[in-house]
Amino acid sequence: DAMVIQNPRYQVTQFGKPVTLSCSQTLNHNVMYWYQQKSSQAPKLLFHYYDKDFNNEADTPDNFQSRRPNTSFCFLDIRSPGLGDAAMYLCATSRGRALSREKLFFGSGTQLSVL
Amino acid sequence: AQSVTQPDIHITVSEGASLELRCNYSYGATPYLFWYVQSPGQGLQLLLKYFSGDTLVQGIKGFEAEFKRSQSSFNLRKPSVHWSDAAEYFCAVVPNRDDKIIFGKGTRLHILP
Repeated sequence: DAMVIQNPRYQVTQFGKPVTLSCSQTLNHNVMYWYQQKSSQAPKLLFHYYDKDFNNEADTPDNFQSRRPNTSFCFLDIRSPGLGDAAMYLCATSRGRALSREKLFFGSGTQLSVL
Repeated sequence: AQSVTQPDIHITVSEGASLELRCNYSYGATPYLFWYVQSPGQGLQLLLKYFSGDTLVQGIKGFEAEFKRSQSSFNLRKPSVHWSDAAEYFCAVVPNRDDKIIFGKGTRLHILP
């Protein structure tokens, strides 16, 4: 059974049109992450939630926002998508933040296309 | 600068042949080391990890990796690959007890029948 679920699998949006990607988890993990992965590149951390505490990476553009209304769900909002935002977006969870000890669980990702 | 390097972008091997994927890191101390696999259309899955102790680590799906401090390397190996091993493989490190995980750029593995 899928433990980290991302919807939709593929998302097409228009340049400048707001888009929301969703992630849900059945693991009851405290930490939820959003990664951006472009072709042939390493996954890049955008931000993470530790419970309700939001942690933004310093180089994440303001165009990217996130919401976590409860433990199970986390959303990625792209306010005005540009062509450079086309990528795979991966959601991940972990029980705690110490990734030296904790295991990351990834969803299957949402492939975003921007027309 | 701290980094994780996977020097091979693509690797092609024949089914049944042995495999070695390279990973080098540059950190002051021995970091925590991981290998993840990403099958087409899927998220990343942990194959194995090294924290301390025995430098040869066994993982899932018949993979193993060896930590070599002198070479700052953590290479992934499999004695005989299967067609289902075709995927992208990411080496990753967590520097000391930091809460961040740093991924390499990945190596895409192709399997010839």
